[in-house]
Amino acid sequence: RKEVEQDPGPFNVPEGATVAFNCTYSNSASQSFFWYRQDCRKEPKLLMSVYSSGNEDGRFTAQLNRASQYISLLIRDSKLSDSATYLCVVRTNTGNQFYFGTGTSLTVIP
Amino acid sequence: DTAVSQTPKYLVTQMGNDKSIKCEQNLGHDTMYWYKQDSKKFLKIMFSYNNKELIINETVPNRFSPKSPDKAHLNLHINSLELGDSAVYFCASSQQVTGELFFGEGSRLTVL
Repeated sequence: RKEVEQDPGPFNVPEGATVAFNCTYSNSASQSFFWYRQDCRKEPKLLMSVYSSGNEDGRFTAQLNRASQYISLLIRDSKLSDSATYLCVVRTNTGNQFYFGTGTSLTVIP
Repeated sequence: DTAVSQTPKYLVTQMGNDKSIKCEQNLGHDTMYWYKQDSKKFLKIMFSYNNKELIINETVPNRFSPKSPDKAHLNLHINSLELGDSAVYFCASSQQVTGELFFGEGSRLTVL
């Protein structure tokens, strides 16, 4: 079983739409959670960390459910520039190891 | 200032050759990593060093040998390159216990 599972998509949505990505992780001892964004032929970059209480950054909202081992990312009012691959990342509390999901591809259509 | 820098960005070489990729970070982090991203886009951890000591060594052929001369540098040497080694190799760093991963721009290796 993979450490982190996410739906690869692709998600094709019109501008202005709201889109949600989900991710599950298998290690209940996981400590930190992140969403990264990767543009084509570029390196992954941190989009936002995910906290137990949920957090919001502009149009982006991240949620964590430790009981269900589930992480989500909500993007409101999608922009063309949101087109990218979104990676769910989980960090364990031992070995300082980061586990990546396979990424979810998003294309925002005019 | 570039936080994590790796060179070269592009590498095209023949099967059987030996090549190296260098990585440096100026963030003061104590942990550095090498990840491989293949054509299916999955990011897979290869190695991790904490303060120059190897702490993660995933199932990677012996042809791959990391070297960390100090905690700001982590180089990757690959012997006897094979077609399947073609991928993008990302260097990354983090601060142990807290913090996220910072990635370099990647080194795209093509083995012919």
